[in-house]
Amino acid sequence: DTAVSQTPKYLVTQMGNDKSIKCEQNLGHDTMYWYKQDSKKFLKIMFSYNNKELIINETVPNRFSPKSPDKAHLNLHINSLELGDSAVYFCASRQYDTDTQYFGPGTRLTVL
Amino acid sequence: GDSVTQMEGPVTLSEEAFLTINCTYTATGYPSLFWYVQYPGEGLQLLLKATKADDKGSNKGFEATYRKETTSFHLEKGSVQVSDSAVYFCALNYGGSQGNLIFGKGTKLSVKP
Repeated sequence: DTAVSQTPKYLVTQMGNDKSIKCEQNLGHDTMYWYKQDSKKFLKIMFSYNNKELIINETVPNRFSPKSPDKAHLNLHINSLELGDSAVYFCASRQYDTDTQYFGPGTRLTVL
Repeated sequence: GDSVTQMEGPVTLSEEAFLTINCTYTATGYPSLFWYVQYPGEGLQLLLKATKADDKGSNKGFEATYRKETTSFHLEKGSVQVSDSAVYFCALNYGGSQGNLIFGKGTKLSVKP
């Protein structure tokens, strides 16, 4: 009964490719997030979605686009992958009127 | 803007030693404060939290007190175990529409038997 799940766990790809990472939560939460963790373990918010509306969009390249087909899913699409995109990407979810976020296991993206 | 500063790691301790990981924050309002833990190869798990000044969060023998006067939220444990080896992140958020977490840079803890 995984609360927040991500697929794939590992993703190795070539520069210039387009890839997607999927995230699903079964907690009934209405807000979902994507965070990026760099090689030094630093975590930074990329996007959040509340009720299918983007409410935070940090200064990430427009090659990254979040897509939410429904409240339980927030997928991350990345176009024209670059070496610097190599990182671990974490999905998280939260109920709007609470302050605790629940994280997925992460997707380690390696761009060659 | 808001920010979180943690002590630099790595921290290496012997089993049963006392642990303190310092965390201070800068905030324009009154955020909630969190400690998350990341075990090797895993995602982040909430360890404890505090939502207002003087609140103490505790879990698994870890404690942290929300100190508004010193803008701090230091993590402590009286006797660490090898299984506590992980990266610890201090974070803040405000909930509501601005619910994204602002993290410190993480502190890696290694506990030796």
